[in-house]
Amino acid sequence: DAKTTQPPSMDCAEGRAANLPCNHSTISGNEYVYWYRQIHSQGPQYIIHGLKNNETNEMASLIITEDRKSSTLILPHATLRDTAVYYCIVRGTNAGGTSYGKLTFGQGTILTVHP
Amino acid sequence: NAGVTQTPKFQVLKTGQSMTLQCAQDMNHEYMSWYRQDPGMGLRLIHYSVGAGITDQGEVPNGYNVSRSTTEDFPLRLLSAAPSQTSVYFCASSQRTLSYGYTFGSGTRLTVV
Repeated sequence: DAKTTQPPSMDCAEGRAANLPCNHSTISGNEYVYWYRQIHSQGPQYIIHGLKNNETNEMASLIITEDRKSSTLILPHATLRDTAVYYCIVRGTNAGGTSYGKLTFGQGTILTVHP
Repeated sequence: NAGVTQTPKFQVLKTGQSMTLQCAQDMNHEYMSWYRQDPGMGLRLIHYSVGAGITDQGEVPNGYNVSRSTTEDFPLRLLSAAPSQTSVYFCASSQRTLSYGYTFGSGTRLTVV
């Protein structure tokens, strides 16, 4: 799976949009971009994913650049409860074997939402 | 309630003891995985499975065994516990497609003394 690079930490004011960047310059054509978050010591929570089109759901929006080498997760109106570690993960089937079942986490971005 | 159920939630073991961490899901998911998370660290993949009877190693498989005899269950066995295995363990499951995300359990907090 392609490696991702995220800033180690970011801050955001409550009520403002939080824009979390992710670089995945080695992404392959059949690899998806996934975003998860982990609040304190809870299990990670799936947020959103995309292949090449921008995506939106009730939690967030995902903007993928046209060359697919980077993406941005947008939380439109951040709240204190959005303080968490956010993980950008690339996952696909190009490595062969059973690798399509793997989900490998990096270090993520610690997002702190402050009042 | 549908989801991923992990038992026990907390466990203390003595060095050398063995135990099995249980993971069950009722969503008919084919993919299942085990992760460990050490304090202040990210999640590391231990073992994963893409269906009953099919398992494979992740990043940190040493000291752990798994088997997948049914779609619903994916137990993680510690054969001889060591203090280095003190961690929080998460189980996760997903449908057999890249079009969905993984659902995670609430974790098992294991301390080996």
